[in-house]
Amino acid sequence: SQQGEEDPQALSIQEGENATMNCSYKTSINNLQWYRQNSGRGLVHLILIRSNEREKHSGRLRVTLDTSKKSSSLLITASRAADTASYFCATIPQGTEKLVFGKGTKLTVNP
Amino acid sequence: DTEVTQTPKHLVMGMTNKKSLKCEQHMGHRAMYWYKQKAKKPPELMFVYSYEKLSINESVPSRFSPECPNSSLLNLHLHALQPEDSALYLCASRLRGWAGLEVFYNEQFFGPGTRLTVL
Repeated sequence: SQQGEEDPQALSIQEGENATMNCSYKTSINNLQWYRQNSGRGLVHLILIRSNEREKHSGRLRVTLDTSKKSSSLLITASRAADTASYFCATIPQGTEKLVFGKGTKLTVNP
Repeated sequence: DTEVTQTPKHLVMGMTNKKSLKCEQHMGHRAMYWYKQKAKKPPELMFVYSYEKLSINESVPSRFSPECPNSSLLNLHLHALQPEDSALYLCASRLRGWAGLEVFYNEQFFGPGTRLTVL
Protein backbone atom coordinates (compact mmCIF):
# COMPACT_ATOMS: atom_id res chain seq x y z
CA SER A 1 0.00 0.00 0.00
CA GLN A 2 1.24 3.49 -0.79
CA GLN A 3 1.59 6.03 1.91
CA GLY A 4 2.90 9.04 0.05
CA GLU A 5 1.70 10.94 -2.96
CA GLU A 6 4.19 13.10 -4.80
CA ASP A 7 3.33 16.21 -6.69
CA PRO A 8 4.02 16.86 -9.50
CA GLN A 9 4.35 13.46 -11.17
CA ALA A 10 6.74 14.96 -13.71
CA LEU A 11 8.78 18.16 -13.72
CA SER A 12 10.93 19.59 -16.50
CA ILE A 13 13.21 22.56 -15.82
CA GLN A 14 16.30 24.26 -17.19
CA GLU A 15 19.73 23.88 -15.65
CA GLY A 16 20.29 26.43 -12.91
CA GLU A 17 16.62 26.63 -11.93
CA ASN A 18 15.26 25.34 -8.65
CA ALA A 19 13.09 22.23 -8.49
CA THR A 20 10.43 21.72 -5.85
CA MET A 21 8.68 18.43 -5.23
CA ASN A 22 5.92 17.86 -2.73
CA CYS A 23 4.85 14.77 -0.85
CA SER A 24 1.74 14.05 1.17
CA TYR A 25 1.18 11.08 3.42
CA LYS A 26 -1.67 9.57 5.36
CA THR A 27 -0.66 8.28 8.78
CA SER A 28 1.51 9.37 11.70
CA ILE A 29 5.14 8.76 10.92
CA ASN A 30 8.45 8.07 12.62
CA ASN A 31 10.39 9.91 9.94
CA LEU A 32 10.24 10.86 6.27
CA GLN A 33 13.00 10.13 3.80
CA TRP A 34 13.73 11.18 0.24
CA TYR A 35 15.38 8.87 -2.26
CA ARG A 36 16.60 9.34 -5.79
CA GLN A 37 16.58 6.72 -8.54
CA ASN A 38 18.33 6.99 -11.86
CA SER A 39 16.56 5.16 -14.63
CA GLY A 40 16.22 1.45 -13.88
CA ARG A 41 18.79 1.45 -11.09
CA GLY A 42 18.92 1.25 -7.33
CA LEU A 43 17.73 3.98 -5.01
CA VAL A 44 20.06 6.38 -3.28
CA HIS A 45 19.15 7.92 0.04
CA LEU A 46 19.22 11.72 -0.04
CA ILE A 47 17.98 13.02 3.27
CA LEU A 48 15.99 11.98 6.34
CA ILE A 49 13.87 14.28 8.46
CA ARG A 50 12.49 13.18 11.80
CA SER A 51 8.90 13.79 12.80
CA ASN A 52 9.99 16.41 15.36
CA GLU A 53 12.02 18.39 12.82
CA ARG A 54 10.62 21.06 10.52
CA GLU A 55 13.45 21.72 8.10
CA LYS A 56 16.71 20.15 7.10
CA HIS A 57 19.47 21.03 4.65
CA SER A 58 22.07 18.94 2.87
CA GLY A 59 24.16 20.65 0.20
CA ARG A 60 21.76 21.85 -2.50
CA LEU A 61 18.85 20.00 -0.89
CA ARG A 62 16.33 21.51 1.47
CA VAL A 63 13.56 19.43 2.99
CA THR A 64 10.62 20.67 5.01
CA LEU A 65 8.12 18.67 7.01
CA ASP A 66 4.70 19.77 8.22
CA THR A 67 3.25 16.98 10.34
CA SER A 68 0.00 18.90 10.91
CA LYS A 69 -0.62 18.84 7.16
CA LYS A 70 1.08 15.48 6.68
CA SER A 71 3.23 16.92 3.92
CA SER A 72 6.85 17.43 2.97
CA SER A 73 8.71 19.24 0.23
CA LEU A 74 12.09 18.70 -1.37
CA LEU A 75 13.84 21.68 -2.92
CA ILE A 76 16.84 21.21 -5.17
CA THR A 77 18.58 24.52 -5.80
CA ALA A 78 20.70 25.41 -8.83
CA SER A 79 19.76 22.20 -10.60
CA ARG A 80 22.16 20.37 -12.90
CA ALA A 81 21.56 17.96 -15.78
CA ALA A 82 22.95 15.23 -13.52
CA ASP A 83 19.98 15.76 -11.16
CA THR A 84 17.73 14.17 -13.79
CA ALA A 85 16.15 11.20 -12.01
CA SER A 86 13.03 10.04 -10.22
CA TYR A 87 12.60 11.26 -6.67
CA PHE A 88 10.59 9.35 -4.08
CA CYS A 89 9.48 10.30 -0.64
CA ALA A 90 9.18 7.42 1.79
CA THR A 91 7.75 7.21 5.26
CA ILE A 92 8.04 4.90 8.22
CA PRO A 93 4.49 4.73 9.62
CA GLN A 94 4.54 4.70 13.41
CA GLY A 95 4.45 1.22 14.87
CA THR A 96 6.03 -0.38 11.81
CA GLU A 97 9.48 -0.75 10.36
CA LYS A 98 8.20 -0.69 6.80
CA LEU A 99 9.45 1.94 4.39
CA VAL A 100 6.49 2.95 2.29
CA PHE A 101 7.18 4.87 -0.90
CA GLY A 102 5.16 7.52 -2.65
CA LYS A 103 4.52 7.40 -6.38
CA GLY A 104 7.54 9.57 -7.21
CA THR A 105 8.34 12.66 -9.24
CA LYS A 106 10.26 12.29 -12.48
CA LEU A 107 12.58 15.30 -12.76
CA THR A 108 14.20 16.26 -16.04
CA VAL A 109 16.84 19.00 -16.01
CA ASN A 110 17.59 20.28 -19.48
CA PRO A 111 21.11 21.54 -20.23
CA ASP B 1 32.61 -1.08 2.29
CA THR B 2 29.37 0.89 2.07
CA GLU B 3 27.55 -0.85 -0.69
CA VAL B 4 24.94 -3.49 -1.26
CA THR B 5 25.68 -5.82 -4.14
CA GLN B 6 23.15 -7.86 -6.09
CA THR B 7 23.66 -10.69 -8.55
CA PRO B 8 22.80 -11.28 -11.28
CA LYS B 9 22.16 -7.88 -12.86
CA HIS B 10 19.81 -9.40 -15.41
CA LEU B 11 17.93 -12.69 -15.37
CA VAL B 12 15.67 -14.25 -17.98
CA MET B 13 13.81 -17.35 -16.93
CA GLY B 14 10.98 -19.55 -18.07
CA MET B 15 7.91 -20.25 -16.00
CA THR B 16 9.17 -23.71 -15.07
CA ASN B 17 12.66 -22.65 -14.05
CA LYS B 18 14.11 -22.36 -10.57
CA LYS B 19 16.53 -19.51 -10.01
CA SER B 20 17.88 -17.43 -7.14
CA LEU B 21 18.71 -13.80 -6.61
CA LYS B 22 21.54 -12.93 -4.29
CA CYS B 23 22.17 -9.86 -2.16
CA GLU B 24 25.22 -9.13 -0.03
CA GLN B 25 26.33 -6.36 2.32
CA HIS B 26 29.28 -6.05 4.67
CA MET B 27 28.19 -2.98 6.61
CA GLY B 28 27.05 -4.93 9.66
CA HIS B 29 23.43 -4.11 8.95
CA ARG B 30 21.04 -6.49 10.68
CA ALA B 31 17.88 -5.52 8.76
CA MET B 32 17.59 -6.59 5.13
CA TYR B 33 14.79 -6.10 2.65
CA TRP B 34 13.47 -7.32 -0.68
CA TYR B 35 11.44 -4.96 -2.85
CA LYS B 36 9.74 -5.42 -6.21
CA GLN B 37 9.50 -2.49 -8.59
CA LYS B 38 7.48 -2.44 -11.79
CA ALA B 39 8.22 0.13 -14.50
CA LYS B 40 7.27 3.69 -13.57
CA LYS B 41 6.06 2.58 -10.14
CA PRO B 42 7.55 2.94 -6.67
CA PRO B 43 9.24 0.00 -4.96
CA GLU B 44 6.89 -2.30 -3.09
CA LEU B 45 8.06 -4.11 0.01
CA MET B 46 8.10 -7.91 -0.19
CA PHE B 47 10.07 -9.20 2.80
CA VAL B 48 11.96 -7.92 5.83
CA TYR B 49 14.61 -9.85 7.71
CA SER B 50 15.68 -8.67 11.13
CA TYR B 51 18.64 -10.39 12.78
CA GLU B 52 18.42 -13.13 10.14
CA LYS B 53 14.81 -13.90 10.97
CA LEU B 54 11.86 -13.17 8.70
CA SER B 55 9.89 -10.39 10.39
CA ILE B 56 7.61 -9.18 7.61
CA ASN B 57 6.09 -11.00 4.64
CA GLU B 58 3.81 -8.70 2.69
CA SER B 59 1.54 -11.54 1.55
CA VAL B 60 3.96 -12.48 -1.19
CA PRO B 61 3.05 -15.60 -3.24
CA SER B 62 4.92 -18.75 -2.21
CA ARG B 63 6.66 -18.91 -5.58
CA PHE B 64 8.98 -16.32 -4.00
CA SER B 65 10.97 -17.83 -1.14
CA PRO B 66 13.39 -15.65 0.83
CA GLU B 67 16.36 -16.92 2.78
CA CYS B 68 18.87 -15.20 5.04
CA PRO B 69 21.70 -17.69 5.64
CA ASN B 70 23.82 -15.20 7.61
CA SER B 71 23.95 -11.53 8.56
CA SER B 72 25.59 -10.52 5.27
CA LEU B 73 23.60 -12.52 2.75
CA LEU B 74 20.03 -12.45 1.54
CA ASN B 75 18.65 -14.72 -1.14
CA LEU B 76 15.38 -14.78 -3.02
CA HIS B 77 14.53 -18.17 -4.51
CA LEU B 78 12.23 -18.13 -7.50
CA HIS B 79 10.13 -21.01 -8.75
CA ALA B 80 7.25 -21.30 -11.20
CA LEU B 81 7.05 -17.55 -11.76
CA GLN B 82 4.52 -15.85 -13.98
CA PRO B 83 5.21 -13.26 -16.70
CA GLU B 84 3.65 -10.60 -14.48
CA ASP B 85 6.47 -11.20 -11.99
CA SER B 86 8.85 -9.53 -14.42
CA ALA B 87 10.23 -6.50 -12.61
CA LEU B 88 13.29 -4.93 -11.00
CA TYR B 89 14.02 -6.67 -7.70
CA LEU B 90 15.81 -4.50 -5.19
CA CYS B 91 17.60 -5.50 -2.05
CA ALA B 92 18.26 -3.06 0.77
CA SER B 93 19.84 -3.09 4.19
CA ARG B 94 19.61 -0.87 7.23
CA LEU B 95 21.55 -0.38 10.40
CA ARG B 96 19.14 -0.81 13.25
CA GLY B 97 19.67 2.27 15.36
CA TRP B 98 18.47 3.75 18.60
CA ALA B 99 17.46 7.26 19.63
CA GLY B 100 17.60 7.00 23.38
CA LEU B 101 15.36 4.09 24.28
CA GLU B 102 13.44 4.19 21.04
CA VAL B 103 14.26 2.35 17.84
CA PHE B 104 15.40 4.79 15.20
CA TYR B 105 14.45 3.96 11.65
CA ASN B 106 17.40 5.28 9.73
CA GLU B 107 18.03 5.21 6.02
CA GLN B 108 18.18 2.13 3.85
CA PHE B 109 21.03 1.31 1.49
CA PHE B 110 19.88 -0.16 -1.80
CA GLY B 111 21.59 -2.46 -4.22
CA PRO B 112 21.49 -1.81 -7.99
CA GLY B 113 18.78 -4.40 -8.49
CA THR B 114 18.21 -7.48 -10.61
CA ARG B 115 16.16 -6.98 -13.76
CA LEU B 116 14.03 -10.13 -14.01
CA THR B 117 12.18 -11.18 -17.15
CA VAL B 118 9.86 -14.18 -17.00
CA LEU B 119 8.98 -15.67 -20.38
